[in-house]
Amino acid sequence: QKEVEQNSGPLSVPEGAIASLNCTYSDRVSQSFFWYRQYSGKSPELIMSIYSNGDKEDGRFTAQLNKASQYVSLLIRDSQPSDSATYLCAVVNTGGFKTIFGAGTRLFVKA
Amino acid sequence: GAVVSQHPSRVICKSGTSVKIECRSLDFQATTMFWYRQFPKQSLMLMATSNEGSKATYEQGVEKDKFLINHASLTLSTLTVTSAHPEDSSFYICSAPPAGTSLDQPQHFGDGTRLSIL
Repeated sequence: QKEVEQNSGPLSVPEGAIASLNCTYSDRVSQSFFWYRQYSGKSPELIMSIYSNGDKEDGRFTAQLNKASQYVSLLIRDSQPSDSATYLCAVVNTGGFKTIFGAGTRLFVKA
Repeated sequence: GAVVSQHPSRVICKSGTSVKIECRSLDFQATTMFWYRQFPKQSLMLMATSNEGSKATYEQGVEKDKFLINHASLTLSTLTVTSAHPEDSSFYICSAPPAGTSLDQPQHFGDGTRLSIL
């Protein structure tokens, strides 16, 4: 089992729709969770961080965390073509304070 | 502006060449930096944790004699790919935790180095 799993996609949504990205993780005691956006050929940029169960909203982005289910998600409302990128779920491994990345989900927002 | 500077951004060289990549923290000290490698359409894979003043910690399967890491100062870590071969061609990215934060916080990433070995 991979430490951080994501659906590779691609996920295609029309402009203005809600994009839903999902991630599961295996380290039951992880406490820090991040979503990064990565454009082709570029390094990742932080979109959201979440540390406690529930929802966290920042503009058009909402991160959801359910530690009991070992599940974290990212919702993007009013999706724009500029949101087209690969979204990486990242979890800090409490054993060594290493950030482990999922394989990423490619999102395409169609104009 | 960028808080972690990575140089060079792109390297193309012949097989057998050694290549050095620099990662600098700008305006803050980083006792720990991380080196990642990313193959096309794959995720970031942690290669090693660079520790200032001590030996780097390598992930399982990463050859320490192949990928030399030096963290001689609080603002600079270097990764040297020794005797590079085409299979070493990849996107190499460094990161550092923001000043005053712990390692379970989001990292600052460098812009990455695209390494192409002919």
